[in-house]
Amino acid sequence: DTAVSQTPKYLVTQMGNDKSIKCEQNLGHDTMYWYKQDSKKFLKIMFSYNNKELIINETVPNRFSPKSPDKAHLNLHINSLELGDSAVYFCASSPSGLAGSGELFFGEGSRLTVL
Amino acid sequence: GNSVTQMEGPVTLSEEAFLTINCTYTATGYPSLFWYVQYPGEGLQLLLKATKADDKGSNKGFEATYRKETTSFHLEKGSVQVSDSAVYFCALSRSNDYKLSFGAGTTVTVRA
Repeated sequence: DTAVSQTPKYLVTQMGNDKSIKCEQNLGHDTMYWYKQDSKKFLKIMFSYNNKELIINETVPNRFSPKSPDKAHLNLHINSLELGDSAVYFCASSPSGLAGSGELFFGEGSRLTVL
Repeated sequence: GNSVTQMEGPVTLSEEAFLTINCTYTATGYPSLFWYVQYPGEGLQLLLKATKADDKGSNKGFEATYRKETTSFHLEKGSVQVSDSAVYFCALSRSNDYKLSFGAGTTVTVRA
């Protein structure tokens, strides 16, 4: 069973469209994250939810809206897509923040290409 | 704020060569330090970690020692294999923090 799964893995779309990426974890973790990885592999945190509550909201355009219907799911919706949104988006989870092992468990990534 | 600086890549090595990737950090207090690895087409996974000064993390032949006096956490492996080709990320977190701060990543390619 995949611990952190994201769908879709690949997404190609036109500028101006709206798209969503879904993430689910079956590890029983309390905290989930969205990271953006650019073409130079630089990783930037976007959002984090702990038990469905937003706890990290970095400087991200408000075209990006996360939603956590329950603690096992964290979805990312992007409105009015722009060329600069092209990246790989990673979902991750951890138990109670970074307490304990301090380990983040990552999904395989969703590669978004905006044309 | 917290930040991590790691050596720029890409790094290209021959099999059985010695690998070092430098990582230094800036943080208040006593952060935990991590190395994550991203194999081609995959998400990141934890490679090793150290939670206090002088701790040594090790896994899969890789080692890194938490050096508070030099604020460093350099990654080393004595004899790399082709399968070690990946992007390596240094990271830190503060206790009770919800966020890992990642370095820029170092791409390593090992040639047979």
